[in-house]
Amino acid sequence: QVQLVESGGDVVQPGRSLRLSCEISGFSFSSYDMNWVRQAPGKGLEWVALIWSDGSKKYYADSVKGRFTISKDTSKNTLFLQMNSLGPDDTAVYYCARDCSGGRCPLYWGQGTRVTVSS
Amino acid sequence: NFMLTQPHSVSESPGKTVTISCTRSSGSIVRNYVQWYQQRPGSAPTTVIYEDDQRPSGVPDRFSGSIDSSSNSASLTISGLKTEDEADYYCQSYDSSNHGVFGGGTRLTVL
Repeated sequence: QVQLVESGGDVVQPGRSLRLSCEISGFSFSSYDMNWVRQAPGKGLEWVALIWSDGSKKYYADSVKGRFTISKDTSKNTLFLQMNSLGPDDTAVYYCARDCSGGRCPLYWGQGTRVTVSS
Repeated sequence: NFMLTQPHSVSESPGKTVTISCTRSSGSIVRNYVQWYQQRPGSAPTTVIYEDDQRPSGVPDRFSGSIDSSSNSASLTISGLKTEDEADYYCQSYDSSNHGVFGGGTRLTVL
């Protein structure tokens, strides 16, 4: 079955960097688009980034553009989110989500990894 | 860009039917597929509807999705309400630039 397992969340100081990972199993990583979505404490869901199945196109929310980078390593079945210049507003649980076969429809979700930005 | 607006909260009794709306602020609702997610407290979201009206395997047919172009909105309908349906529900779509958009979420109380 489809499984997505995030890791890498931590407590970091403002201005520092962090890389999140999402290890996938149960499907062909090269066949589906992938997303990162986050949820700040007590708030709603916020879309963060999208990468096409072949890695050729990447899209970002305005709130993270220029600071975050989504990438994938198909040989390791792992999706990444490199987060630089972190600020308190980046404090959230970060989820990876796999699209449906048609694309543009997050369907399967991981359990999330928590990032806290605090001095 | 557009916004998706949901009611902040809805409540209904067990066994009844509830409908949660999701109104797109600009551009046609039919232009991009709408998804619906259920999130229970302390848990990750799960998908209950994708591509407007498709149910993932394992989601009971008590959950249904629809699109109404006249009101430019999508709806999630849950029939035969159960206490386990009590959760936050989010609608979601993409804009023409492949940026995801979420509604603000609706808290469903089953009392």
